[in-house]
Amino acid sequence: GDSVTQMEGPVTLSEEAFLTINCTYTATGYPSLFWYVQYPGEGLQLLLKATKADDKGSNKGFEATYRKETTSFHLEKGSVQVSDSAVYFCALNDDYKLSFGAGTTVTVRA
Amino acid sequence: ETGVTQSPTHLIKTRGQQVTLRCSSQSGHNTVSWYQQALGQGPQFIFQYYREEENGRGNFPPRFSGLQFPNYSSELNVNALELDDSALYLCASSSGTGGTDTQYFGPGTRLTVL
Repeated sequence: GDSVTQMEGPVTLSEEAFLTINCTYTATGYPSLFWYVQYPGEGLQLLLKATKADDKGSNKGFEATYRKETTSFHLEKGSVQVSDSAVYFCALNDDYKLSFGAGTTVTVRA
Repeated sequence: ETGVTQSPTHLIKTRGQQVTLRCSSQSGHNTVSWYQQALGQGPQFIFQYYREEENGRGNFPPRFSGLQFPNYSSELNVNALELDDSALYLCASSSGTGGTDTQYFGPGTRLTVL
């Protein structure tokens, strides 16, 4: 079945550092890809999405490009802030349901 | 525009009891999906409702059941609670059932089973 594998954490960074979280997927069709973020004690918030190959999703300084040839959707941000500390989930939707990775915990220190 | 809301926020039950969780979808959305998120893990799909009918189901036993109402709000019912049912239950709404339709999540209900 469809699945997502994302980089294990936790990841600890200093403010203004570059962040990359790797995400690869396995799917039989052509899924839409998503990054969601979860702050402590909260639900999931959509960060960005891409619905077809070579699409780039972006939001709040975060970017991810849908790479069909490498089945990847890596999340990047050029300069992180303390407020970016959260758990990040990569997910795919090939039909009607979301399949999530295990999540990557990111901590940004001032 | 009101987002997805869930109630209650927290709930404590004992093994063998039954529980009902509620979800109000975002305005204009006709599809509701439910997910279970165990501590330290990614959410797992339970089922989806579209226009009051179950549209798909994940690998959960029949004691997990649901309803969707004409106003597109939804309930998740869990019978014969087990310790492993302790989790954050997330509801998400969307404007359709397709793979490109973004699912917007509520804050979740934290269920603890003792």
